[in-house]
Amino acid sequence: AQSVTQPDIHITVSEGASLELRCNYSYGATPYLFWYVQSPGQGLQLLLKYFSGDTLVQGIKGFEAEFKRSQSSFNLRKPSVHWSDAAEYFCAVVNFGNEKLTFGTGTRLTIIP
Amino acid sequence: EAGVTQFPSHSVIEKGQTVTLRCDPISGHDNLYWYRRVMGKEIKFLLHFVKESKQDESGMPNNRFLAERTGGTYSTLKVQPAELEDSGVYFCASSLRAGPGTGELFFGEGSRLTVL
Repeated sequence: AQSVTQPDIHITVSEGASLELRCNYSYGATPYLFWYVQSPGQGLQLLLKYFSGDTLVQGIKGFEAEFKRSQSSFNLRKPSVHWSDAAEYFCAVVNFGNEKLTFGTGTRLTIIP
Repeated sequence: EAGVTQFPSHSVIEKGQTVTLRCDPISGHDNLYWYRRVMGKEIKFLLHFVKESKQDESGMPNNRFLAERTGGTYSTLKVQPAELEDSGVYFCASSLRAGPGTGELFFGEGSRLTVL
């Protein structure tokens, strides 16, 4: 069965610093990969997705993620975080033809001044 | 345009009671999904409606959970009787086309259920 691992439960970053959130997946074929964010009082919002093609994908809010097949990873990055980026981030996977998202346990991001 | 709305935002009930959660999808979205996040765990799929029909209910934990989508519009998720392990956040999502592999899912804020 496919699975998603987000090894960091909680990360604290200074405003303006760079950010990398880790995500590893377990799946036989190339999956479709997603990053979602849940800000306080809001629903889950899609940040970006990877289906095929260029392994570096750009998303909203200045985020990007890189698919590395050899490492089964899809890490999320941002060069300079803003206080408004404080939220919980979820990595997810779905295989083609399967309508169900499999999520990781999430990483909570705290931003300090 | 209104997003996916869920009601109530938070419900506190005692073990053995009944709770009904409601989800209003984005207008025109035929596909509606329920997911659940138990405290500290991952968000897990519960079921998928296409219009009023259950396309996939493989994630429903047991027969204490009943989901309906009358008329293919809003959906309800009833838990009867509620148990302690049912506590968590229940997310609803909708999409125009079927599946996150083909169409973007739009999620609601979630309904937090606390069973005492």
